Amino acid sequence: DAGITQSPRHKVTETGTPVTLRCHQTENHRYMYWYRQDPGHGLRLIHYSYGVKDTDKGEVSDGYSVSRSKTEDFLLTLESATSSQTSVYFCAILDGIYGYTFGSGTRLTVV
Amino acid sequence: QQQVKQSPQSLIVQKGGISIINCAYENTAFDYFPWYQQFPGKGPALLIAIRPDVSEKKEGRFTISFNKSAKQFSLHIMDSQPGDSATYFCAASFGRHAGNNRKLIWGLGTSLAVNP
Repeated sequence: DAGITQSPRHKVTETGTPVTLRCHQTENHRYMYWYRQDPGHGLRLIHYSYGVKDTDKGEVSDGYSVSRSKTEDFLLTLESATSSQTSVYFCAILDGIYGYTFGSGTRLTVV
Repeated sequence: QQQVKQSPQSLIVQKGGISIINCAYENTAFDYFPWYQQFPGKGPALLIAIRPDVSEKKEGRFTISFNKSAKQFSLHIMDSQPGDSATYFCAASFGRHAGNNRKLIWGLGTSLAVNP
């Protein structure tokens, strides 16, 4: 997956707990994205980053925060997980001008 | 507001047949139209893409047809194979050159099953 690693691959957590998902890339790409994928909703952008410490909100950012202290790592944090945040989360990088390369995803279940 | 409408939601095709997935868009500022393929347990992967200055692009068995006046584009999979069974997403992009000013709008996906 073009040097993109997401961790963990699977996680079950309890409602109200904080959760952090990690995206690591090895190819020094500037732009990184977090998406969630849900049946009937396709892919929805949560947050994205255009450089170290430079981030912005996507269309479904409520309840999520991100951080990027190094080029290679983009972290997504659910401050207080809710059942509505049960989803598959994908990290992506902008590879070239237009092409997006995705990681293999993290399946998160909030119980 | 859904700006890229994809149909059908699901599609079943016999091996060797032609699979056709359609997308329609509203925003005439879109200038790049990719298709992504996603297998279970994997992230979407770029399959083929087209710019609006051409009406058709072909890569192997996969062809994008683009109709600028109708604001529609479609993916054709010729000689469909069971290995093509996946979810396909169309998307449309617009904005300044790259990065944070370029937006990518996704269709909701089509689940394709190719029967052997």
